Amino acid sequence: AQSVTQLGSHVSVSEGALVLLRCNYSSSVPPYLFWYVQYPNQGLQLLLKYTSAATLVKGINGFEAEFKKSETSFHLTKPSAHMSDAAEYFCAVIPGYSSASKIIFGSGTRLSIRP
Amino acid sequence: GAGVSQTPSNKVTEKGKYVELRCDPISGHTALYWYRQSLGQGPEFLIYFQGTGAADDSGLPNDRFFAVRPEGSVSTLKIQRTERGDSAVYLCASSLGTDTDTQYFGPGTRLTVL
Repeated sequence: AQSVTQLGSHVSVSEGALVLLRCNYSSSVPPYLFWYVQYPNQGLQLLLKYTSAATLVKGINGFEAEFKKSETSFHLTKPSAHMSDAAEYFCAVIPGYSSASKIIFGSGTRLSIRP
Repeated sequence: GAGVSQTPSNKVTEKGKYVELRCDPISGHTALYWYRQSLGQGPEFLIYFQGTGAADDSGLPNDRFFAVRPEGSVSTLKIQRTERGDSAVYLCASSLGTDTDTQYFGPGTRLTVL
C-alpha cells in the first residue's frame, strides 16, 4: 500500500534557523508528492508539489523540497524560519499510474517557532 | 475568485441523529473529494466524484455514510445514525479533474457527536 511517514510529530526551531521537516514515502511506482500546510482554524493550503519534473521543487513562502528516489524521501526545508511559519505541515502522496486521485496524507508535523 | 466553501462550519448533534454536510466547489472544477480529519491525524480519504458520479468511494467507513453530487457541482455528505466516533473535521476539496491536478481544500466542517 502507498503511504507516507513523517518523522517527528512536533518540531521546534528558533526564528531565523533552518527548518527541516522529514517525509518518507512508500510507493511501487513513481509517486506524485505534496506538502500541505494547515494554519490554525484554516483549511489546507498547498505549499508545493512534485510531479516528476525537477527533483528540487520550490514552493510558496520560501519553502522547498527535494525528491530523492534512492532514499524514498521528500523532506521540506526553509533556510530561515519566521514566526508566521508556525503551523501543521502534511506530507502527502498520490501514487503514480493510478486512476484514483485520492491523496494519502501523513500524520502531520507541528512546527513551532521560538522567538 | 471564490474558493471551496463548506457549511455549516460547526455542527453539534446527538448520537443516533442524521446530519448533512454541504460542499460548494470552485466553479468549473469537475472533481470533488471528501476527507475526514480526526484530532491529531492527517486527513483520510472518503470519496471522490468526477462529475455527478462517485469514481472512488473506497474510503467510506460503512453504509451509514453516503454522498451525492446530483448536478455535478454542490455535494452533500450524509451520515445516518451518527456515533461519537464520527466526530471529526470533514474536509472537502475540488480540482479541475485530472489525476494530478492540485486539490483545493475548503475550511472544513467540525462535527461533534455528543
